[in-house]
Amino acid sequence: GAGVSQTPSNKVTEKGKYVELRCDPISGHTALYWYRQSLGQGPEFLIYFQGTGAADDSGLPNDRFFAVRPEGSVSTLKIQRTERGDSAVYLCASGQGFSDTQYFGPGTRLTVL
Amino acid sequence: AQSVTQLGSHVSVSEGALVLLRCNYSSSVPPYLFWYVQYPNQGLQLLLKYTSAATLVKGINGFEAEFKKSETSFHLTKPSAHMSDAAEYFCAVNTGFQKLVFGTGTRLLVSP
Repeated sequence: GAGVSQTPSNKVTEKGKYVELRCDPISGHTALYWYRQSLGQGPEFLIYFQGTGAADDSGLPNDRFFAVRPEGSVSTLKIQRTERGDSAVYLCASGQGFSDTQYFGPGTRLTVL
Repeated sequence: AQSVTQLGSHVSVSEGALVLLRCNYSSSVPPYLFWYVQYPNQGLQLLLKYTSAATLVKGINGFEAEFKKSETSFHLTKPSAHMSDAAEYFCAVNTGFQKLVFGTGTRLLVSP
């Protein structure tokens, strides 16, 4: 079956601009996660959705970052006033929640110039 | 808080040699442990996971890992390396708070 998909695969933007990153989870998965992977590092947790609600957003670095999942399926990660330090690969994962396996998408590589 | 330490940012082996990638975790509660592999410009693929059913876990592509509570370790092994195993490997822990906490990764290099 289809895996987790993310669009765009690459995004180049200028400092100060607004960006949206999209994640389509595996059909039927109730849990959705966003991670950020900087060069040479492991992924770092940003936010977790169970259904439509954000159950844990403790990893969002500041209020420029926001994510939604209005219908409990597709999710969008939104970054306002981008900074060069936001450059990273943003990974989305989905699963059935609790300690079930998280299935990752290919990521969106964000470059802020 | 839980954490993961992967010893060795790079490991080099010859094709056919034993692969050993080390992972130690810190957790105040019984953990769920995972190994993921990442090929260049791709997402993370699950190799195997430990969820307390058995201490020796077998995964895909001939990999396995053993959970040792006394050593707080979950090392990944493969008896004979293939060129196609060259990739970045990540160990991760989940203690029931949903989020995975990852190590910094180990890049496996396989030479002919």
